[in-house]
Amino acid sequence: EVQLVESGGGLVQPGGSLRLSCAASGFTFSNYAMSWVRQAPGKGLEWVSTISGGGGSTYYADSVKGRFSISRDNSNNMLFLQMNSLRAEDTAVYYCANGETEGGMLIHAYWGQGTLVTVSS
Amino acid sequence: DIQMTQSPSSLSAFVGDRVTITCRASQGISNHLAWFQQKPGKAPKSLIYAASSLQSGVPSKFSGSGSGTDFTLTISSLQPEDFASYYCQQYHRYPPTFGQGTRLEIK
Repeated sequence: EVQLVESGGGLVQPGGSLRLSCAASGFTFSNYAMSWVRQAPGKGLEWVSTISGGGGSTYYADSVKGRFSISRDNSNNMLFLQMNSLRAEDTAVYYCANGETEGGMLIHAYWGQGTLVTVSS
Repeated sequence: DIQMTQSPSSLSAFVGDRVTITCRASQGISNHLAWFQQKPGKAPKSLIYAASSLQSGVPSKFSGSGSGTDFTLTISSLQPEDFASYYCQQYHRYPPTFGQGTRLEIK
């Protein structure tokens, strides 16, 4: 059974940094691309970033490019999101997700329970 | 970016009804479309991929159709547990984009 468990969320001041983690189990982690998707309070879903199975390819939403960095540790089945220069508009629940890929694009079949990031002074 | 537009934004229906939600892409996306269900305070759940393929374990009361720019999600014989928000998402081209969501409420 695929399990994705996020951690690392919390309250941070504007301009601060936070590192999110996602612990994966139930599948061969290094064979699958992984994504972060976020949801601001009361709003819809927004894709944030995707990383290929080997970690060699990364993709980012324009809204986070240059501030966020996605990475993975295939030895320990972990996905990370380093978030710098945080803004109030980054306040959201952050989900990690994975699934099969088609044409290089990830189909988000499995989702974690999410971790809340609040950016406020 | 490819814009995804869902309609309606909200929908009221009775238990036992059949409802259809529409998703339109701003450009052709072949069949690279997924549908998700989300209940309050919970993570999204994948229902359908490739426009019409059911994810494992998803009941056949959910069905999807469409190709190109116009897609539909149909839910038959609504039960109380089906009342939730539904989102479409294209995975044809980066960045992946979601529709704004459709909130399905009990009438």
